Amino acid sequence: QVQLHESGPGLVKPSETLSLTCTVSGGFISTYHWSWIRQPPGKGLEYIGDIHYNGSTNYNPSLKSRVTMSIDTSKMQFSLKVNSVTAADTAMYYCARQVGVWTRRWFDSWGQGTLVTVSS
Amino acid sequence: SHELTQPLSVSVALGQTAKITCEGDSIGTRNVHWYQQRSGQAPVLIIYRDSNRPSGIPERFSGSNSGNTATLTISRAQAGDEADYYCQVWGSSTEVFGGGTKLTVL
Repeated sequence: QVQLHESGPGLVKPSETLSLTCTVSGGFISTYHWSWIRQPPGKGLEYIGDIHYNGSTNYNPSLKSRVTMSIDTSKMQFSLKVNSVTAADTAMYYCARQVGVWTRRWFDSWGQGTLVTVSS
Repeated sequence: SHELTQPLSVSVALGQTAKITCEGDSIGTRNVHWYQQRSGQAPVLIIYRDSNRPSGIPERFSGSNSGNTATLTISRAQAGDEADYYCQVWGSSTEVFGGGTKLTVL
């Protein structure tokens, strides 16, 4: 059973860069797509983007200009950076495994989430 | 991008059947996936590719998708089914989630 665990600072100052890491255990990272999804307090889910083990990425157009994802298969980790953050980026951030093919993919395993607050 | 519309809330009596809809243009031509999110927890996949249940998900959960509406059906509703439910599709350039539906079991 694959497990995912998010880690990173819980507090980020406005205009700075949010950085999170997801560690994968109990499965293979060198398969599938690996995703980030966020959920502002009291609101719904928002897809941020995903990265394939070969390094190819797909970002939500609404966030694309500020998002960078990377993957380190040797460490079984993938990462998210969001720059120039504002209070609107305050959210629970989830990492998830995406299975399926091309436009028919779904998220079958999720981390427990990490809350990131943007505040000075 | 593709937009998905879900009712904000649905109520169901204990033991009865609840239906949660997810509306979008020609959603029937896409694969729809459903997630359950209990309070304070991460989402859990309950239906994938319109009507398939992952291992461990009770048969009480079923899905259908046609035309402009996908539907999640929860039979014999239990208190433990009280949660937020989200639909998800590929929306031409990115994954898209519905706004979520809060299911209350009375």
